[in-house]
Amino acid sequence: NAGVTQTPKFQVLKTGQSMTLQCAQDMNHEYMSWYRQDPGMGLRLIHYSVGAGITDQGEVPNGYNVSRSTTEDFPLRLLSAAPSQTSVYFCASSYSTGWGETQYFGPGTRLLVL
Amino acid sequence: GQNIDQPTEMTATEGAIVQINCTYQTSGFNGLFWYQQHAGEAPTFLSYNVLDGLEEKGRFSSFLSRSKGYSYLLLKELQMKDSASYLCAVILTGGGNKLTFGTGTQLKVEL
Repeated sequence: NAGVTQTPKFQVLKTGQSMTLQCAQDMNHEYMSWYRQDPGMGLRLIHYSVGAGITDQGEVPNGYNVSRSTTEDFPLRLLSAAPSQTSVYFCASSYSTGWGETQYFGPGTRLLVL
Repeated sequence: GQNIDQPTEMTATEGAIVQINCTYQTSGFNGLFWYQQHAGEAPTFLSYNVLDGLEEKGRFSSFLSRSKGYSYLLLKELQMKDSASYLCAVILTGGGNKLTFGTGTQLKVEL
């Protein structure tokens, strides 16, 4: 198993540009989520999905869209990038939404918005 | 709001024992995770506590007191490779599998 994969690893955008961060998992996990990590802030939940076709907002959803058309993929879209979206983005997945289910994190995408 | 506190930084000596504390004040509680994160890498799972008491896994142990809103991660026989950030995360009631993270404790292990 490749586990949780993310592409790209690094990206530089100009303000106003759009892009999609890709996330895929090959573990048949039901639950997938996106976090951003900023210095001094800890990891914050952006959006999550409890299964194909089902998504919901997390703590900091503004400026981001998600969709879950398959179990494997959970892309994160930035509609119009802003400097405040400069961050490291992690995708995570777990087998189910049960309590205590371990979430496995992807390697992250480092995004710089100029 | 939700409040999860951890010390920002700690330093310890190779071979020693270190305890990293996490206190939380949250609206509901369904368990607490500890993750390890090396610089530039993804967080990796260390432990999960939902009941009061100590969970031991090799050199790492984690303790939870629900009544005190308190947890700690205990690392024994410290090694240089244990230098990393340690993240405390809580699952809130009704939160499904959503994690609320503390800001992390940066541990430096010295010779």
